[in-house]
Amino acid sequence: EAQVTQNPRYLITVTGKKLTVTCSQNMNHEYMSWYRQDPGLGLRQIYYSMNVEVTDKGDVPEGYKVSRKEKRNFPLILESPSPNQTSLYFCASLKGTGWANTEAFFGQGTRLTVV
Amino acid sequence: EDQVTQSPEALRLQEGESSSLNCSYTVSGLRGLFWYRQDPGKGPEFLFTLYSAGEEKEKERLKATLTKKESFLHITAPKPEDSATYLCAVLRGTGNQFYFGTGTSLTVIP
Repeated sequence: EAQVTQNPRYLITVTGKKLTVTCSQNMNHEYMSWYRQDPGLGLRQIYYSMNVEVTDKGDVPEGYKVSRKEKRNFPLILESPSPNQTSLYFCASLKGTGWANTEAFFGQGTRLTVV
Repeated sequence: EDQVTQSPEALRLQEGESSSLNCSYTVSGLRGLFWYRQDPGKGPEFLFTLYSAGEEKEKERLKATLTKKESFLHITAPKPEDSATYLCAVLRGTGNQFYFGTGTSLTVIP
């Protein structure tokens, strides 16, 4: 079954304690990205990756890091989480060459609370 | 500044009452406009991609259309299971970054 898998689904952590949210896709997609979703603000792109070892900043990259060492994995790293990073996070991957017939597949989300 | 605006924010329909959701955009060129459905507590589910003005796509009771400034998602004879938040996103002409609207929350009453 084609899917994007995020872990963990729920996470409560304390300010300053480094954490990693994992994302894995089994569809051999080249494009992967991370979003945060906040009430009234919608989905905002944090980082995206066009392929292995190629990453770029999205709209709200401050306080986040990513890496793309393998095509299937795209972890999101919070080196020193702060309460304003409390949010619902989604990972997504895109199917399609160029942008023709593009479909996007989203993970089930990670609800992060930083206290 | 690139912007995606969806209206209305919320919409309540009687079952069978057709309507339209709007997504207006201002971006530097448009490489694609995407529609998603999101159920509470879940990730967005892909519906359509539109690439050029005049393009239309259909799926069951949903039909998406695109002009140079906006897109419409038409819902024909909706059912309660169509209740969800509908999101649109644009991919602008340069770069590979997506911009989302804040969504329209649709409730279909039996």
